[in-house]
Amino acid sequence: SAVISQKPSRDICQRGTSLTIQCQVDSQVTMMFWYRQQPGQSLTLIATANQGSEATYESGFVIDKFPISRPNLTFSTLTVSNMSPEDSSIYLCSVVPLRRAEEETQYFGPGTRLLVL
Amino acid sequence: RKEVEQDPGPFNVPEGATVAFNCTYSNSASQSFFWYRQDCRKEPKLLMSVYSSGNEDGRFTAQLNRASQYISLLIRDSKLSDSATYLCVVNIYQGAQKLVFGQGTRLTINP
Repeated sequence: SAVISQKPSRDICQRGTSLTIQCQVDSQVTMMFWYRQQPGQSLTLIATANQGSEATYESGFVIDKFPISRPNLTFSTLTVSNMSPEDSSIYLCSVVPLRRAEEETQYFGPGTRLLVL
Repeated sequence: RKEVEQDPGPFNVPEGATVAFNCTYSNSASQSFFWYRQDCRKEPKLLMSVYSSGNEDGRFTAQLNRASQYISLLIRDSKLSDSATYLCVVNIYQGAQKLVFGQGTRLTINP
């Protein structure tokens, strides 16, 4: 499977600030996604990161709050804007490797643990 | 109603026992199905895909019943290392791929 890294691995932020999370993959992927996992909960899809175009957001998530970039096939960023304590969560990127495209199997990065004070 | 529902758990079983997890999904547009495991403070990792014909990987057996919209996972001869949260995951294709996760079932294998 693809090797996926995320930066930062964790952060503590003040409310009202913004944090940009990076996701880097070691091989080409067809699709990249961003998820949120709140404490004690399962994963919720935030958006699909599309290369060269605007991300596709799920219901309840908007571009102004979670702007996403994907400048190439192996890199994406998620920004959590104007943070509040309710944004404290784990943020994970996932990818569908090019060689696993037919199976549509997603592999997850290690996650970014965010605590907003 | 949640799109993917799992046994609430938690399951606490002795080492060597057989464990069965059940999962139902509500969206008939669901196209592919997976079981992931998530260890504490780690990311989810793919355990196995689930096919209509049923599939087996060592001690793990997954079954899919499309008519009943039901998915299962059986773990035989459970090991201490099987302790984790097991996530039932459904891929719903509605113009684009979307994974929907169940809330997970926590399993603890006791020595």
